[in-house]
Amino acid sequence: DAGITQSPRYKITETGRQVTLMCHQTWSHSYMFWYRQDLGHGLRLIYYSAAADITDKGEVPDGYVVSRSKTENFPLTLESATRSQTSVYFCASSEGQGEDGYTFGSGTRLTVV
Amino acid sequence: SQQGEEDPQALSIQEGENATMNCSYKTSINNLQWYRQNSGRGLVHLILIRSNEREKHSGRLRVTLDTSKKSSSLLITASRAADTASYFCATDAEDDYKLSFGAGTTVTVRA
Repeated sequence: DAGITQSPRYKITETGRQVTLMCHQTWSHSYMFWYRQDLGHGLRLIYYSAAADITDKGEVPDGYVVSRSKTENFPLTLESATRSQTSVYFCASSEGQGEDGYTFGSGTRLTVV
Repeated sequence: SQQGEEDPQALSIQEGENATMNCSYKTSINNLQWYRQNSGRGLVHLILIRSNEREKHSGRLRVTLDTSKKSSSLLITASRAADTASYFCATDAEDDYKLSFGAGTTVTVRA
């Protein structure tokens, strides 16, 4: 998706390791979000941010940490990965409640072994 | 917990037919949005309908919103093979800007 980039695209890590998923957007959108997508659960919000240095917990924040020192970056860190964190992670950005909705990245498929 | 729930979970239609899927939600909303997700890809925004609107069109898409029943429908007319995807409704609460997504409807369009 042009303008919002997630990296890596795929990641395999071991239980207990720290892993950081990167998200970068080029539109200077104020709002950024992290969701995880699991079969049977749809998308669940992990953390979100309304601006640089402002972050809030979503529905499933446990085990995750975020930071937003710059408007364009919103990294998600799994402090000590667990198998239950195996999922597809999507970053999204938006400029409020405008007609264009959210713009999503292509996702990071994370496997914790 | 999810705010929206789509129905049906899966839908299989012939090319050229119409596809209809529904979304129900629980609390008062500001907007309701529909997204499409192709296999292995991120979600793509299709259309947004505000709580004071009842119907909206965009190309082959028609969205309705009934706030009294807390429900919405997405109609795709004259479906094509390229419409094969999962479709999600998403809502944001009146005093919030973050979206809550349903589990999605998987649509398969047979050639």
